[in-house]
Amino acid sequence: DSGVTQTPKHLITATGQRVTLRCSPRSGDLSVYWYQQSLDQGLQFLIQYYNGEERAKGNILERFSAQQFPDLHSELNLSSLELGDSALYFCASSVDRGSSYEQYFGPGTRLTVT
Amino acid sequence: AQTVTQSQPEMSVQEAETVTLSCTYDTSESDYYLFWYKQPPSRQMILVIRQEAYKQQNATENRFSVNFQKAAKSFSLKISDSQLGDAAMYFCAYRTDLGLKSYQLTFGKGTKLSVIP
Repeated sequence: DSGVTQTPKHLITATGQRVTLRCSPRSGDLSVYWYQQSLDQGLQFLIQYYNGEERAKGNILERFSAQQFPDLHSELNLSSLELGDSALYFCASSVDRGSSYEQYFGPGTRLTVT
Repeated sequence: AQTVTQSQPEMSVQEAETVTLSCTYDTSESDYYLFWYKQPPSRQMILVIRQEAYKQQNATENRFSVNFQKAAKSFSLKISDSQLGDAAMYFCAYRTDLGLKSYQLTFGKGTKLSVIP
């Protein structure tokens, strides 16, 4: 158990819909990262938040957005869903301070768009 | 942009034997961090080992060790005394420091390791 929690575990929804994925980082970790894992694209970095502020952006679609709240939990919002958005979405957290920079991953949310 | 290449899509090893997974990367940075992650059938991403580029000594974690060749931009993972539980996808990852507490991991496409009893 990495200490990172993600809800829900599974999500099935229809094209055009909007969903919200939730992540709680490990206690003390200030950074939250979102990754997408699909068969054709592999593991791709989406976005990073550090202590409530967006810090880095990767291959995140405009239809996707995220935020990190004062209690450091984060949400990834996916809208106007398409079949190609079906993937495993991971959240990871890290202290990103001093010599502690490892990212610990949550169990993921499997999104299926039908 | 940094790229990470894992040239072995699949590998197999006999139980109790040793196997080495390859990873190369491309970067112009001098200081960076490299990781190996394991993804078993449960799909959980598990950190196996890390290496700081400024350290010449190869990292070791129990049966897992790395061979870090900075000049060659190579970062291979050696698994000794392979166990059935080692069967998984293994991903090599490079951490890019974008400054101001901005980071991202770039992953290779993975190597699927099978362990033969």
